[in-house]
Amino acid sequence: QVQLQESGPGLVKPSETLSLTCTVSGGSISSYYWSWIRQPPGKGLEWIGYIYYSGSTNYNPSLKSRVTISVDTSKNQFSLKLSSVTAADTAVYYCARAPLGAGAKGVYYYMDVWGKGTTVTVSS
Amino acid sequence: NFMLTQPHSVSESPGKTVTISCTGSSGSIASNYVQWYQQRPGSAPTTVIYEDNQRPSGVPDRFSGSIDSSSNSASLTISGLKTEDEADYYCQSYDSSNQGVFGGGTKLTVL
Repeated sequence: QVQLQESGPGLVKPSETLSLTCTVSGGSISSYYWSWIRQPPGKGLEWIGYIYYSGSTNYNPSLKSRVTISVDTSKNQFSLKLSSVTAADTAVYYCARAPLGAGAKGVYYYMDVWGKGTTVTVSS
Repeated sequence: NFMLTQPHSVSESPGKTVTISCTGSSGSIASNYVQWYQQRPGSAPTTVIYEDNQRPSGVPDRFSGSIDSSSNSASLTISGLKTEDEADYYCQSYDSSNQGVFGGGTKLTVL
């Protein structure tokens, strides 16, 4: 059974870069999209972006200038970097597997397996 | 920007049926698939509906999803409510660039 585990610093200073890694165990990183989602304290979910195992990416336009998602298939990991962080980036960050589906409306993806989430606080 | 709007909260008694709506801001919500996620307090979200109306294995058939093109909305219906259904529920779809979009979430209280 595939499991995802987020890791990285829980505290990041303003203007610095937030870096998180998601390790995939119990399955291969190949043939799936892999997503990052975040949730500010007391608020809803925000999609950050995804990466296909081959390396193609798609990012939330509101974060695109600051976000980089990368994949390391040899380590079965994918990563998130968010630059120039502010207090507004304080959130629980989740990684998730996003399998491709195909139906009458075409090809799509959805999040079917989620990590437990990791809390990142931006503060000096 | 494409947005999904959900009611902030709904409440219903155990054993009853509740429906949570998710309305698209523009275009046709029926053009792309809609997913629903359940998030219990302190836990990560889990998928209860994908591809508009499909249930992952392990999700009881008390959960169902539908699309209403006339109101440009998707709905999650939970029948035979149990106290364990109390959670936040999020709808999710895509914009024209295939970027993920979440609704603001609905807090379901089972009282």
